[in-house]
Amino acid sequence: EPEVTQTPSHQVTQMGQEVILRCVPISNHLYFYWYRQILGQKVEFLVSFYNNEISEKSEIFDDQFSVERPDGSNFTLKIRSTKLEDSAMYFCASRDPGQSYEQYFGPGTRLTVT
Amino acid sequence: GQQVMQIPQYQHVQEGEDFTTYCNSSTTLSNIQWYKQRPGGHPVFLIQLVKSGEVKKQKRLTFQFGEAKKNSSLHITATQTTDVGTYFCAGQDSNSGYALNFGKGTSLLVTP
Repeated sequence: EPEVTQTPSHQVTQMGQEVILRCVPISNHLYFYWYRQILGQKVEFLVSFYNNEISEKSEIFDDQFSVERPDGSNFTLKIRSTKLEDSAMYFCASRDPGQSYEQYFGPGTRLTVT
Repeated sequence: GQQVMQIPQYQHVQEGEDFTTYCNSSTTLSNIQWYKQRPGGHPVFLIQLVKSGEVKKQKRLTFQFGEAKKNSSLHITATQTTDVGTYFCAGQDSNSGYALNFGKGTSLLVTP
């Protein structure tokens, strides 16, 4: 069964550094999402991406964040100048618009900012 | 903005007992989805409810969507240890497009 993949599984970075989290959505999906989950808390929407542009973003997704689809398969989240409070699990998800609203989540990248 | 509240936060049951988690939205939803997250895992889609008053069943799981499309519930009959995990509801409304607004989840612990 096709699945969303994410790399790396765990990223440790120092405060102030930039990180890029990578995702490979399911190949025929057209909508892509990033969510984050701080340890022990709920899953929070960050951004959605369709047709090579951001379609929605939350208040969390400020100028520190950016997304890109650099080629036909990867979908990336860049976090500039990381802060301690950026430490969280980051999930990528994708959706096939012809298959209702179901979003398929990747296994996540655990980001630890020290 | 839209708020999705979910109760209880935790539930500990003996295997064989029933379990219910409730979800309430501050706004009318276009649809609601339920996800399960195992410890250390990622959210896995369970079901989507779209119609007012809709009831769907998946084996021992029963999902309901309220008449006003603002509340929902998940009921598990005769829990098993494999049901352990956190159950999240996630709502979408017309203002949020396709962004999922998750509740805080109910963590279910089942002891044999």
